[in-house]
Amino acid sequence: DAGITQSPRHKVTETGTPVTLRCHQTENHRYMYWYRQDPGHGLRLIHYSYGVKDTDKGEVSDGYSVSRSKTEDFLLTLESATSSQTSVYFCAISELPGMNTEAFFGQGTRLTVV
Amino acid sequence: ILNVEQSPQSLHVQEGDSTNFTCSFPSSNFYALHWYRWETAKSPEALFVMTLNGDEKKKGRISATLNTKEGYSYLYIKGSQPEDSATYLCALLAGNMLTFGGGTRLMVKP
Repeated sequence: DAGITQSPRHKVTETGTPVTLRCHQTENHRYMYWYRQDPGHGLRLIHYSYGVKDTDKGEVSDGYSVSRSKTEDFLLTLESATSSQTSVYFCAISELPGMNTEAFFGQGTRLTVV
Repeated sequence: ILNVEQSPQSLHVQEGDSTNFTCSFPSSNFYALHWYRWETAKSPEALFVMTLNGDEKKKGRISATLNTKEGYSYLYIKGSQPEDSATYLCALLAGNMLTFGGGTRLMVKP
């Protein structure tokens, strides 16, 4: 199994509070992604990173920010959590895209905003 | 935002039936097409990564084809088994983004 760990695995937080989710990898893969899973939507890309300090927005980035200060860690921050951000969040890692390589996923973080 | 579409959204088949799903995507700026299998309460796991027009890949009873010119990929399962029940996701790699379709949920009845 690819070395990818998400923390926390479960979190309940109140509306309006900031929340940070962590994705940690031991594979030295360059690319890291944050997705959210919602019924009827599959996996939607929030933000991604293609190197240390190199990040970009995905399709549902509003209300989220990310940081990647070192290769192994990719942090997702909900600046002021809302109930619409209740979801399961998945982190994925990949080597160089276009090199016929797959993405590996973490176990997911279930976030509930009350 | 890339539009990756999968059909059908869900599918019920009997054990032993063969089945197939479709993934449609915009063909411009194509790098690769991925297929993943996602079981309930687990994380998605890769089945295939395809990069060339006409690619065909096979793993046991599951196979996939790719047509980059017309922007579609098919996933086939031969002789479905109850353990094949899962959601099957396709994802388009274009630029640095890996964009997923909504998935096809397959349920195989014994």
